[in-house]
Amino acid sequence: GAGVSQSPSNKVTEKGKDVELRCDPISGHTALYWYRQSLGQGLEFLIYFQGNSAPDKSGLPSDRFSAERTGGSVSTLTIQRTQQEDSAVYLCASSSPQGGGYGYTFGSGTRLTVV
Amino acid sequence: GQQVMQIPQYQHVQEGEDFTTYCNSSTTLSNIQWYKQRPGGHPVFLIQLVKSGEVKKQKRLTFQFGEAKKNSSLHITATQTTDVGTYFCAGKNTGTASKLTFGTGTRLQVTL
Repeated sequence: GAGVSQSPSNKVTEKGKDVELRCDPISGHTALYWYRQSLGQGLEFLIYFQGNSAPDKSGLPSDRFSAERTGGSVSTLTIQRTQQEDSAVYLCASSSPQGGGYGYTFGSGTRLTVV
Repeated sequence: GQQVMQIPQYQHVQEGEDFTTYCNSSTTLSNIQWYKQRPGGHPVFLIQLVKSGEVKKQKRLTFQFGEAKKNSSLHITATQTTDVGTYFCAGKNTGTASKLTFGTGTRLQVTL
């Protein structure tokens, strides 16, 4: 697609429920990243995919968080047994394999609210 | 782990005044990127600097990468209300992983 697409744009869930967040990167972008941004804060790295593999998942806050990527394209971030501190905007980004100084292209994010 | 700090955290200027944000990394960087996030929006890539001492300009914006490749700055000349937003630097470590570590951000408010 023309840009990075994330769904849903907003998600309100009850504490203890599982949620799935989806990211559809730019076609041809082999690198995909998940970040989390709490209100008024900076971007916290969660996980990085190169193709379908995740060479760096050091930012996942706990074992309740997992992510996968299939077909070198769509990625899903799953949060199990959500807690109130999981409330944040979850941003996905992709980048060109050639680099070329074009940086990351971010999606519009999923705003997750755990009540 | 790597930390990237920015100062100031917030700045409020009148339109026409200049603005500068400074970015400091705890480790040497292979490159540094700058992003702008408008209120309610997502970060948008502005520029990448790679070489030690590099200076790049985009209209009223001037970006610098320090000689030691551990710091950077963004200077905006004659701010406009369209410059409002949060500016993030983001660094990539030398060596391994591809991920960017984002700075803490500087929120710019511009009033008439």
